[in-house]
Amino acid sequence: SQQGEEDPQALSIQEGENATMNCSYKTSINNLQWYRQNSGRGLVHLILIRSNEREKHSGRLRVTLDTSKKSSSLLITASRAADTASYFCATDPGGTYKYIFGTGTRLKVLA
Amino acid sequence: EPEVTQTPSHQVTQMGQEVILRCVPISNHLYFYWYRQILGQKVEFLVSFYNNEISEKSEIFDDQFSVERPDGSNFTLKIRSTKLEDSAMYFCASSESLGGTGELFFGEGSRLTVL
Repeated sequence: SQQGEEDPQALSIQEGENATMNCSYKTSINNLQWYRQNSGRGLVHLILIRSNEREKHSGRLRVTLDTSKKSSSLLITASRAADTASYFCATDPGGTYKYIFGTGTRLKVLA
Repeated sequence: EPEVTQTPSHQVTQMGQEVILRCVPISNHLYFYWYRQILGQKVEFLVSFYNNEISEKSEIFDDQFSVERPDGSNFTLKIRSTKLEDSAMYFCASSESLGGTGELFFGEGSRLTVL
């Protein structure tokens, strides 16, 4: 698998439901970030979790990080149609000056 | 709110032509990046830039690519001789620090179409 792979690739849910996306990575990291991209637009930072943190919340977002499994999850609670977008995780492989993005999860929230 | 701006928003060019994509990062940011995204696909790292030199580059960033910060505000990506496969959305990003918050701020992208 590549550094930063999200699953599922696509997710379709009803408004009000929760959406969970997962990210797996291969190397040690300093932090992991989640970004959102509306179709044809730039990426917008959602949340950053450091390698010594296990869980972080921001509004309707909850991110977990399990460094032993090299995986993270993003939970969006009480989803809205406006949450429809692609969601990417990004990791900074230790000692590098770059962030590697995953393959993304396309979330569609149906009104 | 400060933002990263990119120009042009869309450029169409003939294969073999040189293209320069321009970015104005957020003014107090120190780290600059170029990424590209082929339509609907993953976001690929091209290059990172700090202290007026390349910090890291990917295998995509070959001799046809170069970056420059010519005047302390603009950050440019040059493709010397474009190929069909260079058609993509190119995103510029900047960050205040690498180790601290590390949050990347992205521009809206420049769509490059090579004919």
